[in-house]
Amino acid sequence: EPEVTQTPSHQVTQMGQEVILRCVPISNHLYFYWYRQILGQKVEFLVSFYNNEISEKSEIFDDQFSVERPDGSNFTLKIRSTKLEDSAMYFCASSEQGGHSPLHFGNGTRLTVT
Amino acid sequence: GNSVTQMEGPVTLSEEAFLTINCTYTATGYPSLFWYVQYPGEGLQLLLKATKADDKGSNKGFEATYRKETTSFHLEKGSVQVSDSAVYFCALIGTQGGSEKLVFGKGTKLTVNP
Repeated sequence: EPEVTQTPSHQVTQMGQEVILRCVPISNHLYFYWYRQILGQKVEFLVSFYNNEISEKSEIFDDQFSVERPDGSNFTLKIRSTKLEDSAMYFCASSEQGGHSPLHFGNGTRLTVT
Repeated sequence: GNSVTQMEGPVTLSEEAFLTINCTYTATGYPSLFWYVQYPGEGLQLLLKATKADDKGSNKGFEATYRKETTSFHLEKGSVQVSDSAVYFCALIGTQGGSEKLVFGKGTKLTVNP
């Protein structure tokens, strides 16, 4: 069964550094998402992306965050200047049709900011 | 805004016990409802879904019925196994104001002992 893949599985970075989290969505999917889960808390929506542009973003997704689909397969989340509170598990997801169609998630990247 | 409330965990059961994890939601319009499961060290996997009132989603022996009158989507399984140990997330995609983001509950950790 096709799956969403994320790399790396764990990223450690120093405060103030830039990080790029990478995702390869399922190949025929058109809608892409990033979510995050701070340890012990809810899974929170960050951003959705369709047709090469952001379709929706949350309050968390401020100017420090950006997303990109640099080629036909990758979907990246960049954090320009990481803060301690950015430490979380980041999940990439994709869906075939958007709307109410189910999201398929990757295994996540655990980001630790020291 | 849309929200999901699910019972606090953790839940610990013996093998073959009956499982219920309560989930209620707040949403305008006609949301679609989902249960996702996260096994240790893995990402979020879709367990089951229901898209309209009175629909029953089912998978791997788990069931949940979309109850609009009680705004609930409780997860049940008649006989749990050790391999069902995981964190279970109730979630919805609403139709409020054009937002179609997936909104999660806090998750309920289930441990099944042999």
